[in-house]
Amino acid sequence: GQQLNQSPQSMFIQEGEDVSMNCTSSSIFNTWLWYKQDPGEGPVLLIALYKAGELTSNGRLTAQFGITRKDSFLNISASIPSDVGIYFCAGLPSGNTPLVFGKGTRLSVIA
Amino acid sequence: ETGVTQTPRHLVMGMTNKKSLKCEQHLGHNAMYWYKQSAKKPLELMFVYSLEERVENNSVPSRFSPECPNSSHLFLHLHTLQPEDSALYLCASSPNRGYEQYFGPGTRLTVT
Repeated sequence: GQQLNQSPQSMFIQEGEDVSMNCTSSSIFNTWLWYKQDPGEGPVLLIALYKAGELTSNGRLTAQFGITRKDSFLNISASIPSDVGIYFCAGLPSGNTPLVFGKGTRLSVIA
Repeated sequence: ETGVTQTPRHLVMGMTNKKSLKCEQHLGHNAMYWYKQSAKKPLELMFVYSLEERVENNSVPSRFSPECPNSSHLFLHLHTLQPEDSALYLCASSPNRGYEQYFGPGTRLTVT
């Protein structure tokens, strides 16, 4: 089946630093999504990308839909302690096929 | 504030119990989903409902039984579970299949 390779698996950064994570696939996706999950909670949708090449921001978060439709990245600028959590990428192939999730990037922010 | 609510948030049950998880979405969506999330494993899709019809069942054991009485409510009935079924059970909804999904806060299930 389709798989998403998400990297890095985990990151430890200093407060104030910028963060970058990405997802790649051997298959094409029509939509890329980025979620954040806090411990004991459900994933929260951060950014949705619908067109190849699209660059979208949500506050300090910026995500891009790769031009080949096989990758996406998420950047977080000027990280703060509440950015701690697990970030998941997810891709929607064509039609009514299910969401495909990456395995997540665990972000730790050191004050 | 989430448009998808789940109850209970925590549940401890014995292997011989019968319990139900409830999910409600206030977003006017037509598709609803159950996922299982175990420690250090990716999200596993269990069931998909579209317009109250089950359209996907990913080889889930029969001790998990979903029910979708209308497009706003989704239940997961549990009976004779095993300890390995302990996990976070997440409900999600989307406008239709093939669109972005919005998750509830989950039910943390512990089977003793």
